[in-house]
Amino acid sequence: DAGVIQSPRHEVTEMGQEVTLRCKPISGHDYLFWYRQTMMRGLELLIYFNNNVPIDDSGMPEDRFSAKMPNASFSTLKIQPSEPRDSAVYFCASTGGRDSPLHFGNGTRLTVT
Amino acid sequence: QKEVEQNSGPLSVPEGAIASLNCTYSDRGSQSFFWYRQYSGKSPELIMFIYSNGDKEDGRFTAQLNKASQYVSLLIRDSQPSDSATYLCAVRNSGGSNYKLTFGKGTLLTVNP
Repeated sequence: DAGVIQSPRHEVTEMGQEVTLRCKPISGHDYLFWYRQTMMRGLELLIYFNNNVPIDDSGMPEDRFSAKMPNASFSTLKIQPSEPRDSAVYFCASTGGRDSPLHFGNGTRLTVT
Repeated sequence: QKEVEQNSGPLSVPEGAIASLNCTYSDRGSQSFFWYRQYSGKSPELIMFIYSNGDKEDGRFTAQLNKASQYVSLLIRDSQPSDSATYLCAVRNSGGSNYKLTFGKGTLLTVNP
């Protein structure tokens, strides 16, 4: 089991640029979550999917953020345009069921200058 | 706003001592409670979960849940320097979007040799 795979590990970009973060969940897991972690706000849930369908996107901060899950093995989180306040570590996580633990990817550290 | 509160620490204990980490939550209908450990620069990993009032033991770790007081704790016996990390409390909220895990901001634990 390769675990949850995220790419890239690090992303440095300039304000106004588009950023795309990628995630491959564990095979067989039908729930996928995107979290953002900062020192000030901790781990915040942005959006989660069940069977590729977005279920709760109430944590998406604004229209600049969008997420898709075109199939069971791939999801993207896009920020367009990016701003310095978007700098954070973005985690993708997956789980196979309600009472199963979340398995986190290694995260993408995003720096927007 | 469903909240999970933790003392940010740092909590410093000598090697071999018991470390006690505490967490309170605001959603009285919450059903599932999790403790994650996060080493610096790494992703969160599950240590324990607890669903019922009382204690649950796993090796050196004991989770305690008191739903009436909306309080969950983690005890680490015989603390080791390798236990030094941030410990995140997570609560699965009640309601329609009930796969959603809300995390506290974490408590930084340092175990001194």
